[in-house]
Amino acid sequence: TQLLEQSPQFLSIQEGENLTVYCNSSSVFSSLQWYRQEPGEGPVLLVTVVTGGEVKKLKRLTFQFGDARKDSSLHITAAQPGDTGLYLCAGGFGNEKLTFGTGTRLTIIP
Amino acid sequence: EPEVTQTPSHQVTQMGQEVILRCVPISNHLYFYWYRQILGQKVEFLVSFYNNEISEKSEIFDDQFSVERPDGSNFTLKIRSTKLEDSAMYFCASSGDRGLLGEKLFFGSGTQLSVL
Repeated sequence: TQLLEQSPQFLSIQEGENLTVYCNSSSVFSSLQWYRQEPGEGPVLLVTVVTGGEVKKLKRLTFQFGDARKDSSLHITAAQPGDTGLYLCAGGFGNEKLTFGTGTRLTIIP
Repeated sequence: EPEVTQTPSHQVTQMGQEVILRCVPISNHLYFYWYRQILGQKVEFLVSFYNNEISEKSEIFDDQFSVERPDGSNFTLKIRSTKLEDSAMYFCASSGDRGLLGEKLFFGSGTQLSVL
């Protein structure tokens, strides 16, 4: 069974600070996706990383896929209240049979 | 942006009853999925569907579950005889391809199923 552990589980920081959340597994994934989920809604894809060592930027968000394709990180620069939400990583073979992580619930305090 | 639509948003049923959850995937998509999320737990894969047949299913997707694309636009999940532990948010998702080159997977807003 493939498992994806995310840390921290909860993170509460002040507006303007930087933060990093992690997604770790003992399994290799061909690709890893990051989602954001709002209460009562489905996950919304932020980014997909497919190559070991790959770094992708989405405005203030930077995503990195580990060299061994077992782990990933999401770094947010100058966090804003609008970044508040549940962040999920999900690993798989493309979109097939995704294994979702445990989630990081992020709160940005104005 | 295109949307995956799920109906109903909430479904309450008695244990042992059959339920059908409905999804309208994005119109030109070919790959369809059901996931579920029990309250406070991870999102879990149930089944993937392509070319009118199941391509993958998880151990959760037992004989009580079935999927169908009856008319080329709807994609349904049927639970034949619901159990209390089937209570969860069920998400439908679709994509244009398998996503090996980063094609986006779109999720619907979910159907909250409550089995009493």
